[in-house]
Amino acid sequence: AQSVSQHNHHVILSEAASLELGCNYSYGGTVNLFWYVQYPGQHLQLLLKYFSGDPLVKGIKGFEAEFIKSKFSFNLRKPSVQWSDTAEYFCAVENTGFQKLVFGTGTRLLVSP
Amino acid sequence: NAGVTQTPKFQVLKTGQSMTLQCAQDMNHEYMSWYRQDPGMGLRLIHYSVGAGITDQGEVPNGYNVSRSTTEDFPLRLLSAAPSQTSVYFCASSYTQGPGEAFFGQGTRLTVV
Repeated sequence: AQSVSQHNHHVILSEAASLELGCNYSYGGTVNLFWYVQYPGQHLQLLLKYFSGDPLVKGIKGFEAEFIKSKFSFNLRKPSVQWSDTAEYFCAVENTGFQKLVFGTGTRLLVSP
Repeated sequence: NAGVTQTPKFQVLKTGQSMTLQCAQDMNHEYMSWYRQDPGMGLRLIHYSVGAGITDQGEVPNGYNVSRSTTEDFPLRLLSAAPSQTSVYFCASSYTQGPGEAFFGQGTRLTVV
């Protein structure tokens, strides 16, 4: 069964620092990949997605992620974080045809002003 | 456009009580799902549905029932609440036949005492 690992459980950064959150999945095949963000007290919102094509995808609010198939990875990056990026970030993987979205355990990001 | 609407937002149950969490979407999405979110465990899939009249189990289905009589509604029933079911529950829908890009409701925070 598919599993998704997010190795950073808690990350603390100062404003303007660069961010990279790791995401690895276990099962190959054709995958759709997602990053979701959950701001404090809110529901999950889609940050960005990868279905096919250019492995470097850009999302909202300056976030981007790179799909590296050989490493089963889909890391999230942002060159310069803001206090408003404080949230929990979830990586999710869908194996096409399996009809299930598997989430990682999430990374809590705290950005100090 | 209301999107995905969940009710109630908060609920306290006594052990052994039953209740139904409501979920409705107005986007004509075929795929709907229920997740529970627990600290350090991310989101885990409880049940999902690929269309009216079709439901299937996810990762943690025990103690929960679902039905999908219409495209719009996907209620989650707790048969006999247990403290282990204390969690935040999210309903989601997507316009593809799989989970794909999911739109989430605001969540229901359930406490079982």
